[in-house]
Amino acid sequence: NAGVMQNPRHLVRRRGQEARLRCSPMKGHSHVYWYRQLPEEGLKFMVYLQKENIIDESGMPKERFSAEFPKEGPSILRIQQVVRGDSAAYFCASSPPLGETQYFGPGTRLLVL
Amino acid sequence: GDSVTQMEGPVTLSEEAFLTINCTYTATGYPSLFWYVQYPGEGLQLLLKATKADDKGSNKGFEATYRKETTSFHLEKGSVQVSDSAVYFCALSRYSGGSNYKLTFGKGTLLTVNP
Repeated sequence: NAGVMQNPRHLVRRRGQEARLRCSPMKGHSHVYWYRQLPEEGLKFMVYLQKENIIDESGMPKERFSAEFPKEGPSILRIQQVVRGDSAAYFCASSPPLGETQYFGPGTRLLVL
Repeated sequence: GDSVTQMEGPVTLSEEAFLTINCTYTATGYPSLFWYVQYPGEGLQLLLKATKADDKGSNKGFEATYRKETTSFHLEKGSVQVSDSAVYFCALSRYSGGSNYKLTFGKGTLLTVNP
């Protein structure tokens, strides 16, 4: 059973460009969480999604950030017009329906030049 | 709001030494508590968890007991190995409705074990 997949593992963008981060949950998991890890910090919750629904986006910056989890395909975290402060590791985690434990992907490390 | 406070690192030990990493939390209700481990350049792996007071989570020689009276979940291991070198995160989850169990993390503790 494959684990949580994230791609790309590393992403370099120049200021003002768009970044798209993808997350494929574990088989049988329909819930996805996104977290951001700034340098030398713990992980901070961003958004929680179920298939085709955003359930909790209380941790998402109000501008430039969006997330989706379509019926088919991976969850996408999209950052428009990136700035240097967006440089971080972005992790997604998945859980089964009604499950509490989250299983993390390897992360995408975004560097904004 | 919810918060998790971990002992600040870095922690450096010799192989076979005893390990304790302190973790305390603030939360309303009855959170579940977790320890995750992150090896260099990798994602987080669940190490152990406890879902109610006095539960003890254990895995790979690591243990932690959910102490509601002291709001703590300290991580211990009797004899560390070089391969245990990693960053350890304490976290809590509290049900927020809609099957939402978002995690609140501590800042992490870097452990280095020398041969």
